[in-house]
Amino acid sequence: EVQLLESGGGLVQPGGSLRLSCAASGFIFNTYAMTWVRQAPGKGLEWVSGISGSGGSTFYADSVKGRFTISRDNSKNTLYLQMNSLRAEDTAVYYCAKCAGIAAAGTVSDYWGQGTLVTVSS
Amino acid sequence: DIVMTQSPDSLAVSLGERATINCKSSQSVLYSSNNKNYLAWYQQKPGQPPKLLIYWASTRESGVPDRFSGSGSGTDFTLTISSLQAEDVAVYYCQQYYGNPPFTFGPGTKVDIK
Repeated sequence: EVQLLESGGGLVQPGGSLRLSCAASGFIFNTYAMTWVRQAPGKGLEWVSGISGSGGSTFYADSVKGRFTISRDNSKNTLYLQMNSLRAEDTAVYYCAKCAGIAAAGTVSDYWGQGTLVTVSS
Repeated sequence: DIVMTQSPDSLAVSLGERATINCKSSQSVLYSSNNKNYLAWYQQKPGQPPKLLIYWASTRESGVPDRFSGSGSGTDFTLTISSLQAEDVAVYYCQQYYGNPPFTFGPGTKVDIK
């Protein structure tokens, strides 16, 4: 059974940093791309970032480019999202999701974690 | 980036009746080399993460009831719930995954019972 468990969310001041983790199990981690998707309170879904199975290809939404870094440790079956220079508009539930293929391009997200809440506020 | 729109914003349907949600992309998501539409539908119930329902515009994910169906090609797509059940109350999102990311979502359509 595929399981994705996010952690690392919390309250952070504007300009601060946070690192999210997503522990994966139930599938061969390094053969699937992974993504982060966020949802602001009461709002829709926003694709944030994606990474290929090897970690060699990464992609970002314009809204986070230069501030967020996606990475993965395939030896630990864990996905990360380093978030720097956080803004109030980054407040959201952050979901990690497994992709259906090894490439981050051209593939849907077929399994999702429960999400972790990030609140950026002074 | 490809912009996704959905209509209506919300709809209320009687139990057992048909619900239809439309999704439009700002450019074609049909890849000519494999004739596949890079369009997915997700269902999100309150307090839960999204759940993949349909990919390639019309392929149901394993375990999804056959009352859910997807259709369309190019830039115009439809999700149909043929006979609405109480457990189908949710927000439904379309998403394009054409080419390289970002893979944009539509704004969502809320489905309720009339």
